[in-house]
Amino acid sequence: KAGVTQTPRYLIKTRGQQVTLSCSPISGHRSVSWYQQTPGQGLQFLFEYFSETQRNKGNFPGRFSGRQFSNSRSEMNVSTLELGDSALYLCASSLVRGRNTEAFFGQGTRLTVV
Amino acid sequence: AQTVTQSQPEMSVQEAETVTLSCTYDTSESDYYLFWYKQPPSRQMILVIRQEAYKQQNATENRFSVNFQKAAKSFSLKISDSQLGDAAMYFCAHLSNDYKLSFGAGTTVTVRA
Repeated sequence: KAGVTQTPRYLIKTRGQQVTLSCSPISGHRSVSWYQQTPGQGLQFLFEYFSETQRNKGNFPGRFSGRQFSNSRSEMNVSTLELGDSALYLCASSLVRGRNTEAFFGQGTRLTVV
Repeated sequence: AQTVTQSQPEMSVQEAETVTLSCTYDTSESDYYLFWYKQPPSRQMILVIRQEAYKQQNATENRFSVNFQKAAKSFSLKISDSQLGDAAMYFCAHLSNDYKLSFGAGTTVTVRA
């Protein structure tokens, strides 16, 4: 069974540009969450999607957005990139939206903003 | 809001020995879940162990066990018989009722051969 797949693995963008990251969950999983990992702030929750609806959002500016498609694949978009957006972005999927279900993480997308 | 604190940035352990990682958390919820995740150099977060707050019995997974003290809001991880493959960054995490995972800053574990 394939794991959580995040593409691309690495990305370099210029300040002011926008970027789209993709996450394909494990087959059958319907819940997808996104996290930002930086040396300074650690791991921070971005948002959670279930059945194509955003169920929860972390404390990030509106430049960060996302969506989930009918096949549960999810994308997150960051507009008007800033240097501080450089981070590892992790996606996690779980079978259902429940606290007793295990979240499986992808290997992340390393975004560098120059 | 939930906060998770890991006060040990780095820990070193001799192969086959035992190491304990500390974690404290703050929450107003009575029912919640706690986790320890491992992040090796490959960057993929791997679930090590999970504890449900309403269960008093400490969780155990092979060489990994926790000491869950609900009143003290403490959730430490013990790695027994440490192996070279245990070297990684370990994160303590709290899952709230609204499904948000809050992570600690992490502890880097080094295993000496």
